Amino acid sequence: GQQVMQIPQYQHVQEGEDFTTYCNSSTTLSNIQWYKQRPGGHPVFLIQLVKSGEVKKQKRLTFQFGEAKKNSSLHITATQTTDVGTYFCAGRPSNDYKLSFGAGTTVTVRA
Amino acid sequence: AAGVIQSPRHLIKEKRETATLKCYPIPRHDTVYWYQQGPGQDPQFLISFYEKMQSDKGSIPDRFSAQQFSDYHSELNMSSLELGDSALYFCASSSEPLTGLAGGYTGELFFGEGSRLTVL
Repeated sequence: GQQVMQIPQYQHVQEGEDFTTYCNSSTTLSNIQWYKQRPGGHPVFLIQLVKSGEVKKQKRLTFQFGEAKKNSSLHITATQTTDVGTYFCAGRPSNDYKLSFGAGTTVTVRA
Repeated sequence: AAGVIQSPRHLIKEKRETATLKCYPIPRHDTVYWYQQGPGQDPQFLISFYEKMQSDKGSIPDRFSAQQFSDYHSELNMSSLELGDSALYFCASSSEPLTGLAGGYTGELFFGEGSRLTVL
């Protein structure tokens, strides 16, 4: 079964608003990666988090790794039409080398 | 910069036929992954290779096989195709040893543009 759960599955956002997508694992992760897949495209790496409680920012995107290294979040502020796509988290369990992808959050933006 | 190259980009097959997908990783990347992505779904891990040896196996059907060659390119062979095999197949490559890099970081995956397989 899926080791990494991601919610919500869909996010419809008004342009200019903020939103957050959450990623939860049943096991402790050694690291978590985030990818973005534009419609019709392929997943593209955004960032990797390794440390407990780590927070990283990329312009309007804020990524956080939970203290227990079992959850992560991606917060986007002032959403733009260029943010449309599916955001995947992908975690590597501490006891496994395999990268497990979450189901993704598909974001649509209303102008 | 060189990216991951996948071929063919599109493939149409009949049920029970066979298909072969090819992947050329980024130069000097030692790990190749194959993922299957159904419509509206997340990428499902199939199999990976590190230095031409199978390193991990996911939800790959027994009808599928894969290998990595001496030039590091990889091929995914699919036989007795079923309608449910219709999907986008991604190959990704990374540069990372099996034990991971120092500090818990592991290589990021660089995905190819995918091969879309349609089984009729």
